[in-house]
Amino acid sequence: GAGVSQSPRYKVAKRGQDVALRCDPISGHVSLFWYQQALGQGPEFLTYFQNEAQLDKSGLPSDRFFAERPEGSVSTLKIQRTQQEDSAVYLCASSPPTSGSPDTQYFGPGTRLTVL
Amino acid sequence: KNEVEQSPQNLTAQEGEFITINCSYSVGISALHWLQQHPGGGIVSLFMLSSGKKKHGRLIATINIQEKHSSLHITASHPRDSAVYICAVAPFSFGNEKLTFGTGTRLTIIP
Repeated sequence: GAGVSQSPRYKVAKRGQDVALRCDPISGHVSLFWYQQALGQGPEFLTYFQNEAQLDKSGLPSDRFFAERPEGSVSTLKIQRTQQEDSAVYLCASSPPTSGSPDTQYFGPGTRLTVL
Repeated sequence: KNEVEQSPQNLTAQEGEFITINCSYSVGISALHWLQQHPGGGIVSLFMLSSGKKKHGRLIATINIQEKHSSLHITASHPRDSAVYICAVAPFSFGNEKLTFGTGTRLTIIP
């Protein structure tokens, strides 16, 4: 497919479990973003990659959250010891190689995480 | 105070009405995005603009950089336009286009 894909689409975890969320960006897209969207709220920035380099992780809410993009394409967001407040939709977005001007971000469908 | 404020939070209108959604922001930006989110669906980018006005079909987006304000207009609204519309800004930061989002405007168009 041509768009950003995310898996799984839905994840239910028991409190304390570790989860891994996957994002496949559009082929050739350099920038990759992770956002967290709580119910009824706008998304909030978590972290940003340019190729394999994690340039900004200022939005990660705690050290239980970890993201990687080892080969500059697929990215994984890992949450350790999940808590109920981690329940949200996790959105991934990618954008093409920068030309020095802002670029449109293309969003995936999101992974809805529910922590019981 | 949020960096991005949208109004109204909820809007219900009759089919055919002209719709305006407003967005104000408090930081210097490199671009402003208007996004559409359907229930249970992903986010679709409608516009990205840094000045002036853009039009796509029945949708028009304008931005006033001096006033730090943008509007999204929908002409001849239709029930399929029912969705959450989100304004997001990319603050000035070379090489990092991370977005700061408003909380969204829930639009319902009644047939």
